[in-house]
Order: sequence, then structure tokens, then C-alpha cells
Amino acid sequence: GAGVSQSPRYKVAKRGQDVALRCDPISGHVSLFWYQQALGQGPEFLTYFQNEAQLDKSGLPSDRFFAERPEGSVSTLKIQRTQQEDSAVYLCASSPGGGVGRELFFGEGSRLTVL
Amino acid sequence: QKEVEQNSGPLSVPEGAIASLNCTYSDRGSQSFFWYRQYSGKSPELIMSIYSNGDKEDGRFTAQLNKASQYVSLLIRDSQPSDSATYLCAVNTMNAGNMLTFGGGTRLMVKP
Repeated sequence: GAGVSQSPRYKVAKRGQDVALRCDPISGHVSLFWYQQALGQGPEFLTYFQNEAQLDKSGLPSDRFFAERPEGSVSTLKIQRTQQEDSAVYLCASSPGGGVGRELFFGEGSRLTVL
Repeated sequence: QKEVEQNSGPLSVPEGAIASLNCTYSDRGSQSFFWYRQYSGKSPELIMSIYSNGDKEDGRFTAQLNKASQYVSLLIRDSQPSDSATYLCAVNTMNAGNMLTFGGGTRLMVKP
């Protein structure tokens, strides 16, 4: 596609529910990132894929968070047993190649509200 | 201390003035530096990238990098109301692979 596509754009979940957020990166982009952005804050790194390999998951806040990119294209971020502190915008970004410090192209984000 | 620090603002400037946005970073081995603009409710979009000391100009925007002082700035000349947004500084830190670390952002308000 022309840009990074994320769905759903908005998700309201009751505390304790599981949610799945989808990211469709720019076609051919090797690198894919998930960031979490709380209101009024900058994006915080969650995890990074190069093709299907998850090379860094150091930013995932707990074992309730899980991400996958099984075929090296579409990625899913899953949050189990959601808590109120999980409420945030989840941004997906992709980057061409695997080089260091390349430009990130962001999707519009998925805004998660946990009640 | 956060790895990338920015004044949260808001920074208010009159239309036509120069807006100066500043960012400091803690990792002396950082190699790549980026400025992203984020309108309210939208995703960040890249404005400038800079990799070596000095100035880099692109239209009304100038990025300045001083690695010795661990400081990167963004100047916006002839500021327009449409420049009103949050500006995010992002740094590729050493040993972080391809990951960018973002500052908290500075909110800029350009008043007509």
C-alpha cells in the first residue's frame, strides 16, 4: 500500500479483555516497529522486527504484551488481560532496509481505551 | 534522566518569527538525529534528518547538531500558523540497532 495501515483506529476494551492491533507496513519494508504513545508524551519503543525475526522486544512493558510478524509483512500486537494503564495510542512504523537509524514511516495509530 | 530531553512547552511565537526548538541527548555514541512533526491526533511525520555536526537547511527548516554538547535543534523561519504542532526529537542511540528513541516533544503555537 501507499502507507502504513493500522486497524482498528479506535478500540474500547473492558479491563481484562484481550485486544489485537494490526499493522500493514509499506510494501517491501524490512523493518517494523511498535511504539506506545501516552497522551502528551513522546512515542515509547515497544518492539522491533526485521522481516519475520523479532530482534528487540525490550520495550514490551509486561508479559501481557506479545507481537508477531510471521511472514515478514503484516504484524499484530496482542495485549492480554488489558489494564487501564494500557490506554494509549499504539503506533506502528516501518522502514526500508535494515540499516541503522533510517527514517521511520508511521501509521495513523490505534487508540486503545481500557475502561 | 531521560535519554532524549525536550522542553514540553508550549512555545508560543508570532507569525513570521523564528521558532527555535531544542533537544539534548545522553548517549554520546548517538549517530542519527531526526525531527518529526505531529499534529494533534495524527501520526508523526519526518521533517529533517541530520547525521553530522553543523547545520542542515531544507526550505524554512534548519537542523543544527553539536555532538560535543550532545545537542540538536530545529529552527523554523517565517513561522506560520500551520506550523503549530508538537515537534518530536528522535535519536538513534548506540547499540540500539534500528530503534529510535524519542523525546517527549515540544508543543509549538504560532499565533496569527
